[in-house]
Amino acid sequence: KQEVTQIPAALSVPEGENLVLNCSFTDSAIYNLQWFRQDPGKGLTSLLLIQSSQREQTSGRLNASLDKSSGRSTLYIAASQPGDSATYLCAVRGGTASKLTFGTGTRLQVTL
Amino acid sequence: NAGVTQTPKFQVLKTGQSMTLQCAQDMNHNSMYWYRQDPGMGLRLIYYSASEGTTDKGEVPNGYNVSRLNKREFSLRLESAAPSQTSVYFCASIYPRDRGNYEQYFGPGTRLTVT
Repeated sequence: KQEVTQIPAALSVPEGENLVLNCSFTDSAIYNLQWFRQDPGKGLTSLLLIQSSQREQTSGRLNASLDKSSGRSTLYIAASQPGDSATYLCAVRGGTASKLTFGTGTRLQVTL
Repeated sequence: NAGVTQTPKFQVLKTGQSMTLQCAQDMNHNSMYWYRQDPGMGLRLIYYSASEGTTDKGEVPNGYNVSRLNKREFSLRLESAAPSQTSVYFCASIYPRDRGNYEQYFGPGTRLTVT
């Protein structure tokens, strides 16, 4: 059974810092990995999707990497801003292509 | 293009009451999903529908039923609500980018409290 772990569970950084969020998964037979952002009381917004054949994806200040063989992904946020404060979730699609397995998220706070 | 919509946004039920959560998507996606999100447990799949006319159990299906009414709509029903079903419920659909690679889109959620 696929298990997804995100470390740390919570993180507080001052504005302007670069930061890395970690995601690990136990079964490397995945189709893709997706990073989401969730604001308090809101739904999930897709940030980046990395296909199993890719090593990284970039969108603006966000960069996600994937090392499938070691079961790891990182989300790098450059020059953090208070508006980046949210919970970040990673999810892997594996086994049956229809199903996503989610981590429990990293709650990020960017302070002024 | 509204994406994935859910109704209601909030609901309070008493133990034993029934209700249906509604979900609709206007992106012409084939597959739709229902998840629940609980503190410290992440999102867990309740049921999914790979295509119109089909439904399958996910990780936590007990106490729920679903109906894929048509390609757009996928409803979740609680026949006899229990306090353990207090949660935030999310509906989602997926866009098939290519074989095996799907991107998931989520609705805003329904916050359900069962007293």
